[in-house]
Amino acid sequence: SQQGEEDPQALSIQEGENATMNCSYKTSINNLQWYRQNSGRGLVHLILIRSNEREKHSGRLRVTLDTSKKSSSLLITASRAADTASYFCATSGNTPLVFGKGTRLSVIA
Amino acid sequence: GAVVSQHPSRVICKSGTSVKIECRSLDFQATTMFWYRQFPKQSLMLMATSNEGSKATYEQGVEKDKFLINHASLTLSTLTVTSAHPEDSSFYICSARQGNSNQPQHFGDGTRLSIL
Repeated sequence: SQQGEEDPQALSIQEGENATMNCSYKTSINNLQWYRQNSGRGLVHLILIRSNEREKHSGRLRVTLDTSKKSSSLLITASRAADTASYFCATSGNTPLVFGKGTRLSVIA
Repeated sequence: GAVVSQHPSRVICKSGTSVKIECRSLDFQATTMFWYRQFPKQSLMLMATSNEGSKATYEQGVEKDKFLINHASLTLSTLTVTSAHPEDSSFYICSARQGNSNQPQHFGDGTRLSIL
């Protein structure tokens, strides 16, 4: 299975702090994607990082990918209360995206 | 850009009713659409993948006669839950992608289905 597994399952931080979430997967991939889901809503695409890329930035988001360790991390800098959500990694090979169980991030104002 | 509209957002109906959920890509052509199911505080479970004009490919354990998928155009896919029962109550989410697997999937806002 290409399923990504996020770690930690839950994370609670103060506003302004950085949040780091990790993702591990099992098989070779074409790319890895991070999504955010607010409670009861659909998923919002954050970043796609290809297997030949090591790091990618988008605003306050930084994603790294280590294919030798089959792992990725998502860093949210200077977190805000509005960042409170569940974050999922999803891996893509020749099959549709397969999602992990997500990290529930709570940012306390 | 890349907006996916899913309707209805919430359905409450009696057991035995068939329910149709629509998923539309508003500003791009969705060559592939996906249907997921999500239980509370759980991950998304892929139910089926559909390409425009082709029969859907269902994941193992998903009954194709129970969950009818139609992808009649490059902007519309529908999921019909036939003769729904309480165990079908869940959060259903569609997503759409233009191009191959190196492109992101864009998600609708989901449909909360409650079968009484």
